[in-house]
Amino acid sequence: EAGVTQFPSHSVIEKGQTVTLRCDPISGHDNLYWYRRVMGKEIKFLLHFVKESKQDESGMPNNRFLAERTGGTYSTLKVQPAELEDSGVYFCASSPLASPTDTQYFGPGTRLTVL
Amino acid sequence: DAKTTQPPSMDCAEGRAANLPCNHSTISGNEYVYWYRQIHSQGPQYIIHGLKNNETNEMASLIITEDRKSSTLILPHATLRDTAVYYCIVRVGGTDKLIFGTGTRLQVFP
Repeated sequence: EAGVTQFPSHSVIEKGQTVTLRCDPISGHDNLYWYRRVMGKEIKFLLHFVKESKQDESGMPNNRFLAERTGGTYSTLKVQPAELEDSGVYFCASSPLASPTDTQYFGPGTRLTVL
Repeated sequence: DAKTTQPPSMDCAEGRAANLPCNHSTISGNEYVYWYRQIHSQGPQYIIHGLKNNETNEMASLIITEDRKSSTLILPHATLRDTAVYYCIVRVGGTDKLIFGTGTRLQVFP
């Protein structure tokens, strides 16, 4: 069974540009989560999808971040325009819908560098 | 903020048991204790979780005190590949998000 995949693995952009990160969850997992770790900080929750609906977006830092999950399969996280402080590693995780305590399985992350 | 407290770092000799402590004195009755680890720059990896009973799987054992205010993750025979940052996480009641703290950096040496 394939795990959570993320694309790209690395992205280097200039301040003010737009970047879109993609996450493909484990097949059949209805829950999809985005987290990120910025330099020197702890891993922080961004938002949670249940299928195509946003269940909890309390961790989204500001309106420069837009997450979508059309069709309830893969998800994208767009940063527009990117700022220096957005640099970090963005993780995606997924879990089944069966139980709220189900394990979240993480992808390898996308390392974003904003210059 | 994280609801757990862990030592920042620990060392363990290869082949010996690694015992990683975690304090979660404000845990609620319906909150689970989860352990994840992050090896180098990979994504966090699930290890084990429990509510109040001790748990064991192929990776580790989880010992939770009777008052549930602390727990210990045990890697019975640590290997060099177990070198990682280990996170003890209390699952937020009513939501699914994981709140990561600073974790414990475990260094396994030969």
